[in-house]
Amino acid sequence: GQNIDQPTEMTATEGAIVQINCTYQTSGFNGLFWYQQHAGEAPTFLSYNVLDGLEEKGRFSSFLSRSKGYSYLLLKELQMKDSASYLCAVNDGGANNLFFGTGTRLTVIP
Amino acid sequence: DAGVIQSPRHEVTEMGQEVTLRCKPISGHNSLFWYRQTMMRGLELLIYFNNNVPIDDSGMPEDRFSAKMPNASFSTLKIQPSEPRDSAVYFCASSAYGTSGRASYEQYFGPGTRLTVT
Repeated sequence: GQNIDQPTEMTATEGAIVQINCTYQTSGFNGLFWYQQHAGEAPTFLSYNVLDGLEEKGRFSSFLSRSKGYSYLLLKELQMKDSASYLCAVNDGGANNLFFGTGTRLTVIP
Repeated sequence: DAGVIQSPRHEVTEMGQEVTLRCKPISGHNSLFWYRQTMMRGLELLIYFNNNVPIDDSGMPEDRFSAKMPNASFSTLKIQPSEPRDSAVYFCASSAYGTSGRASYEQYFGPGTRLTVT
């Protein structure tokens, strides 16, 4: 089966940098997504990686290593509003559905 | 675009009652996904449709759950009879399968239906 692993919880300080890791074991690979989900709301798209390397978008960056089955989401200049769950999701190339990890709940403290 | 629309937003019902959740995907999207989210199990895929055809329903917990997509703009998820363990947030998402790259797999989520079964 497909396996997506993320840490359950993380805490970081406002203004700091935090890295949220995701490892995956899937039968194939055709792209990795990061979603942000605030409490009581729906997941929303943050980033997409299909090739190795770093994708940067403002304060958020996402990295992928396909050979290691590894990705991370990097959040810089943390703000209180970044407190949310961050979900890693993989398309295994077999169909168009995504396999989601259980999410990492990030708490930003003053 | 209005985004994915779900109704109702909240549903409280008694054990044994039938529950019907509704979803309208983004216009032009041809894939629709039903998820259930709980604190214990995270986001679980229940079933998904491509071009109104169910592709994978292996995530449907049991026969009490059923889903239909009679046309490209409407889907329902029905639980009959409902049980307290069905309490969760149910999300519907849609995507534009068949396009290229990220667009084919990126899913847009509706606001969810919070179901409480007492």
